[in-house]
Amino acid sequence: GAGVSQTPSNKVTEKGKYVELRCDPISGHTALYWYRQSLGQGPEFLIYFQGTGAADDSGLPNDRFFAVRPEGSVSTLKIQRTERGDSAVYLCASSPSRDTQYFGPGTRLTVL
Amino acid sequence: DQQVKQNSPSLSVQEGRISILNCDYTNSMFDYFLWYKKYPAEGPTFLISISSIKDKNEDGRFTVFLNKSAKHLSLHIVPSQPGDSAVYFCAASALSRDDKIIFGKGTRLHILP
Repeated sequence: GAGVSQTPSNKVTEKGKYVELRCDPISGHTALYWYRQSLGQGPEFLIYFQGTGAADDSGLPNDRFFAVRPEGSVSTLKIQRTERGDSAVYLCASSPSRDTQYFGPGTRLTVL
Repeated sequence: DQQVKQNSPSLSVQEGRISILNCDYTNSMFDYFLWYKKYPAEGPTFLISISSIKDKNEDGRFTVFLNKSAKHLSLHIVPSQPGDSAVYFCAASALSRDDKIIFGKGTRLHILP
């Protein structure tokens, strides 16, 4: 069956610009997670949705980062006024339960 | 402060031998542990997990051992195969509290022919 998909696969932007990253979870998975993976690091938790609501957004680094999941399926991670330090692979995962998470391939964001 | 530590950035093992990947954690609230495997340009793939009520879980060539008193877990792969070459992430969660998974930095495993 279809796994988690993320678009775009690569995004290059200039410092100060706004970007949106999209995640399509596995159908029927109620939980959705965003992570950020910098070079040489493991995935770092950003935000977790249960249905439409953000159950835990404690990992968002600052108020330039925001995520939505308006209909409880597709989610969009939004980054305002991008900085070079935002460059990373942004991973999305979905889960049918409270344990195993299934990851998408990620979006590689490069801020010039 | 790293709550999940993988102190070996890389490991090389001969094909057919046992690969042992180690992981330490600091948070005593963690009650669920996972190993993920990651190939280049792909997202992490779930490999095996263990609950804190167990000390061993086996799935085919993969076995995870948990030593709660030492706050240590390990992943054993036997026999190692070329397709096992990847980055392995140890991860932990406090399911009794929330659903966040905390990842280590990963260990790159090279299986040598």
